[in-house]
Amino acid sequence: GAGVSQSPSNKVTEKGKDVELRCDPISGHTALYWYRQSLGQGLEFLIYFQGNSAPDKSGLPSDRFSAERTGGSVSTLTIQRTQQEDSAVYLCASSLTRRGYKYFGPGTRLTVT
Amino acid sequence: GIQVEQSPPDLILQEGANSTLRCNFSDSVNNLQWFHQNPWGQLINLFYIPSGTKQNGRLSATTVATERYSLLYISSSQTTDSGVYFCAVERQGSSNTGKLIFGQGTTLQVKP
Repeated sequence: GAGVSQSPSNKVTEKGKDVELRCDPISGHTALYWYRQSLGQGLEFLIYFQGNSAPDKSGLPSDRFSAERTGGSVSTLTIQRTQQEDSAVYLCASSLTRRGYKYFGPGTRLTVT
Repeated sequence: GIQVEQSPPDLILQEGANSTLRCNFSDSVNNLQWFHQNPWGQLINLFYIPSGTKQNGRLSATTVATERYSLLYISSSQTTDSGVYFCAVERQGSSNTGKLIFGQGTTLQVKP
């Protein structure tokens, strides 16, 4: 596609449920990032994938968060046993190389009730 | 880790006015980007500017890497310029992954 796409655009879930968020990066981009933006806050780095290298998971806030990237393309961010503090907009970005211009998707707005 | 500070936090302008947004960072950087987050939450790339000066229409940006700051200039502001402006940097270093560290943003409101 022409840009980074994310799905769903909105997700409302009950506390304790698991959720999966999807990111389709720009074709050919080797670097993929997940960020979180809580209400009124800046953007917080979560995880980074680069090709077939081991991901940088240093930003994941707890072991309830995990992510994978299949075939060097699509990525899924999974949050298990969601808590209310997980409510945020989750943004995905990709770039041609790790030092390249970062392009962001439209985000998934997650609300945990 | 690297600190990124943006000022002012909030700015209200009358349409047609000019403004300057500032971004200070605490360490050497490989990359600096300015983004505009529109009212729908979409992050739009404005500039990729680790150093030097660039211009794009009514917007221009200057980064002085040796003094660890960047400026975003908006001239003849329009109501569509409203939103949050973020500065984000990538810390220099052999182990860095290219991840961007964001400032807290400047919220701009342009009144007609």
